[in-house]
This record gives sequence, C-alpha cells and structure tokens, in this order.
Amino acid sequence: EIVLTQSPGTLSLSPGERATLSCRASQSVSSNYLAWYQQKPGQAPRLLIYGASSRATGIPDRFSGSGSGTDFTLTISRLEPEDFAVYYCQQYGYSSPWTFGQGTKVEIK
Amino acid sequence: EVQVVESGGGLIQPGGSLRLSCVASGFTVRSNYMSWVRQAPGKGLEWVSVIYSGGGTYYADSVKGRFTISRDNSKNTVYLQMNSLRAEDTAMYYCARHINQWYFDYWGQGTLVIVSS
Repeated sequence: EIVLTQSPGTLSLSPGERATLSCRASQSVSSNYLAWYQQKPGQAPRLLIYGASSRATGIPDRFSGSGSGTDFTLTISRLEPEDFAVYYCQQYGYSSPWTFGQGTKVEIK
Repeated sequence: EVQVVESGGGLIQPGGSLRLSCVASGFTVRSNYMSWVRQAPGKGLEWVSVIYSGGGTYYADSVKGRFTISRDNSKNTVYLQMNSLRAEDTAMYYCARHINQWYFDYWGQGTLVIVSS
C-alpha cells in the first residue's frame, strides 16, 4: 500500500503570506493520479488540484500544484482569509486505490 | 446542478447494522464511479468502497466482508450496507462521485454513524 505523508502537520501563517505544503509518497506515484483537497470545519472536502498540477473548476489561480515521483507540493501564493483550512493529498494506485495523506492544517498566525 | 445527499446514519450498538443512502441529482450514478469515504472524529479521510460504472465493487480491507455497496439506477441512489459494526467504524460517511476514475469531484455533506453501547 502506498502511504502518503504530509508535512508540516500545522502551518501558522498570516493572510497574504505564501503557504507551501508537502506530500511525500512511500512509492512512486504517477502524476496523473495525485490530487489535493481542501476541507473546512463542518464541510465536505473540495477538490482543488488533480493530475498533480491542474486546477479543478472554479479554483482560484493562487492555488498551484507541482511535483512528480514521490514528492508533491501544494502552494497557495497569497493566503486569503477563506484559505485557512485542512488540506489533504490523495493518490490512486492499482494496488492501493484512493489513499489520503493525514492532512496539513493551515491556521491563522 | 450536480448534488449528492447522504442519509441513514445514526447511533447503533456494536454488532448492529445500518444502511446508508446517497441520492444523486444532476448526473446518473450508473455512468460514474461512486465511492464512500469516511472520516473518524478529528481524523483524516479514509476511502471505504467503490462501485464502478460497470457494476463491479471494491472495498478497503478494514470493511471487506462486513460492508456492501450497491446502487439502484431507477432511484439514482447508491447504498452502503454496513453489518457487524464496530466502534472503529464511528465516522462521518461521505458519498463522492469520481472524475476520471482517480479523483472525487462532488461530495455530499455526509451522514454521521456512531457505534457505541
């Protein structure tokens, strides 16, 4: 099974700052199969990025994804108040379909 | 408008059974992969089960043999039959539509299952 490890666990930043979130896989993941989600308290997750770097419909361009192999990154260029949330990476693999990282919480400093 | 709405959660004793429902609108469930994903209180996301557009099913090891996913095309609804429930099954259960097989693009608001005596 592919294990996704996200870091840091919590990121304390101020609005306007840049956020860099990491997702590391225990085995190589095809870039086509890596996604990022945002979850706010009491809400369902929302798809932000798929295929490692493609923004989902309606997602602002301050969100960007990058990476390949075992190391992937979600970057929020300038944090808006509504961006403070928990972020999850997710991969699809034939031997271990649809696994998620444990999440990174982006909180207001 | 694409929407999925879950129902059927509640408080159930260990060893009991529940059936969750996921009613879809704005698309047809038979044309999409549909999954259940759960989230224990204060924890991360865990994929539980999928039903493929062709009708095949697949389960996480943690629920295999206890949970059964199915659908009723006439009602555009997906179900999750949960038997032999355990305390560790306590979670919010989300129904989610797949896009491109690999990701989840539409999620419901979830239904809460609490397994406790």
